[in-house]
Amino acid sequence: QKEVEQNSGPLSVPEGAIASLNCTYSDRGSQSFFWYRQYSGKSPELIMSIYSNGDKEDGRFTAQLNKASQYVSLLIRDSQPSDSATYLCAVSPNAGKSTFGDGTTLTVKP
Amino acid sequence: GAVVSQHPSWVICKSGTSVKIECRSLDFQATTMFWYRQFPKQSLMLMATSNEGSKATYEQGVEKDKFLINHASLTLSTLTVTSAHPEDSSFYICSATKWGAQGRYRDTEAFFGQGTRLTVV
Repeated sequence: QKEVEQNSGPLSVPEGAIASLNCTYSDRGSQSFFWYRQYSGKSPELIMSIYSNGDKEDGRFTAQLNKASQYVSLLIRDSQPSDSATYLCAVSPNAGKSTFGDGTTLTVKP
Repeated sequence: GAVVSQHPSWVICKSGTSVKIECRSLDFQATTMFWYRQFPKQSLMLMATSNEGSKATYEQGVEKDKFLINHASLTLSTLTVTSAHPEDSSFYICSATKWGAQGRYRDTEAFFGQGTRLTVV
């Protein structure tokens, strides 16, 4: 079992729709959870961080964390073509050292 | 946010030569930096943790004699790929951590450099 698993994708949604990205992790001691966006050939860019159970909203992005279920998700509302990228879920048991999932490639079609 | 600068952004070298990649935190001090490698269509794989003033901690399966890491100051870590071979061709990315405003480790986020595309021919 991988330490961090993401829905395999690719995921395709029409422009304006909600894109839902899911991630599960195996280490119950994990404290910090991150979602990164990575465009092809570029370095990851932090979108959201979440540390406590519940929802965290930032603009069109909402991260959801459920530590009991070892599950973290990212919702993108009003998806735009510019949101098309690979989204990486990262889980960290301690400061800075993260384990990444394989990523989910999202395509938003105009 | 915080800025992490990685240099060079791409490099082509001959097999058997060594290549040095620099990672700098420009506007904050980073006691810990991390080096990742990413092959095409794969996720980031942690290679090593670089601590200022001490030896790096390598992940299982990463050859420490091949991937030399030096973290000489609070703002600079370098990765040297020694005797590079075509199978070392990859995207190398560094990240640095910045403590959250409240000083709790849980607030620490990792900021990534731009990455270095290494091609060994």
